[in-house]
Amino acid sequence: DIQMTQSPSSLSASVGDRVTITCRASQSVNNNLNWYQQKPGKAPNLLVYAASSLQSGVPSRFSGSGSGTDFTLTISSLQPEDFATYYCQQSYSFPLTFGGGTKVEIK
Amino acid sequence: EVQLVESGGGLVQPGGSLRLSCAASGFSFSDHYMDWVRQAPGKGLEWVGRIKTKGDSYITEYAASVRGRLTISRDDSRNSLYLQMNSLKTEDTAVYYCARAFLGYCSGGRCSNFDYWGRGILVTVSS
Repeated sequence: DIQMTQSPSSLSASVGDRVTITCRASQSVNNNLNWYQQKPGKAPNLLVYAASSLQSGVPSRFSGSGSGTDFTLTISSLQPEDFATYYCQQSYSFPLTFGGGTKVEIK
Repeated sequence: EVQLVESGGGLVQPGGSLRLSCAASGFSFSDHYMDWVRQAPGKGLEWVGRIKTKGDSYITEYAASVRGRLTISRDDSRNSLYLQMNSLKTEDTAVYYCARAFLGYCSGGRCSNFDYWGRGILVTVSS
């Protein structure tokens, strides 16, 4: 199985900050990497697919990069509605696996 | 508008069975792979399994933790996805989401993402 490791597991930031979340795969997943945002009590929402493609309707302050084993999700200027938990997920091979999540909290 | 609505959750004793349903609307259900993803209370997301389309022989894939106990099926005539859960364990307690798999192309070939999710349904396994 491909293990997905996210860091940090949580972070505190202020509105307007630039935030970067890292996801590392235990083996290469090419660019078969997706990012989701989840708010409490809600279903996850797709932000970025294929490592760097922004899902329709997602604000441009979100961006993804990376390939192989190392990926990042960047929020260029954190907004109040961005406080949530973020998950990476690989679709390279079965079983599909998620990272452990990164909780973005208000400083 | 794409909608996925889960039903059938609830409290069940260890060793018991439960069948979840997911009613789909707003898209051509028969053309899409469908997945189940779960989330234990306070924990992260865990992929449960996938069922492919008729064109791909309704092939299923499962996480090792559920293989042989949980079974995914679909009825394209009813636009419905199912999860039959047998021999349930306390560690199966979770919110279960059905999700549509969108297939695309990545640098290494085919890839997928979950572009639509249901609201989720809680399954509690406890005596």
